[in-house]
Amino acid sequence: DTGVSQDPRHKITKRGQNVTFRCDPISEHNRLYWYRQTLGQGPEFLTYFQNEAQLEKSRLLSDRFSAERPKGSFSTLEIQRTEQGDSAMYLCASSSGLVYNEQFFGPGTRLTVL
Amino acid sequence: AQSVTQLDSQVPVFEEAPVELRCNYSSSVSVYLFWYVQYPNQGLQLLLKYLSGSTLVKGINGFEAEFNKSQTSFHLRKPSVHISDTAEYFCAVSLSGTYKYIFGTGTRLKVLA
Repeated sequence: DTGVSQDPRHKITKRGQNVTFRCDPISEHNRLYWYRQTLGQGPEFLTYFQNEAQLEKSRLLSDRFSAERPKGSFSTLEIQRTEQGDSAMYLCASSSGLVYNEQFFGPGTRLTVL
Repeated sequence: AQSVTQLDSQVPVFEEAPVELRCNYSSSVSVYLFWYVQYPNQGLQLLLKYLSGSTLVKGINGFEAEFNKSQTSFHLRKPSVHISDTAEYFCAVSLSGTYKYIFGTGTRLKVLA
């Protein structure tokens, strides 16, 4: 068990560019979550998957954001036409199907939009 | 709407002193409660969780928390802190029947020598 991994750890991009982040969950976990954390704030829920199905999306997830989890394994989060307000830490977490839903977090991808 | 409040944004405390980090939540349904710690430029690590049963929960690194349903609180405590406890601490709730977490804004614990 290597834990949840995320790639890249840091991404600097110019406004208007597209970026894509990857998350690899703990192998036996069927639920995967994306959160966004801005400076001085707690993580905010963006979306979650159960296997390959995206079951809930936050209103924070604008049309420029899209997430996928093909085959119920790794997940990608793409941001199109980045804006400076997208600068944040993007956290991925995974959990098993147990009732109490303990989530295990990855190290995050820090995005800076210039 | 459900919410989590961490009233103290920063808590300075001297090494070997006790500390309490406060967390209050608002929910009309049953909740599961969690405390996570975040070190600089890292993800979140689970300290402890309350699911049901005993209201006093013990976690890693000597931390404990007490669930108080009437006060809707889940305060985190440690009897004697170390320099290495300096970090950001987040309280989170997961509502029964849902899967996402709702986090508080965090408390920055700074342990002074």
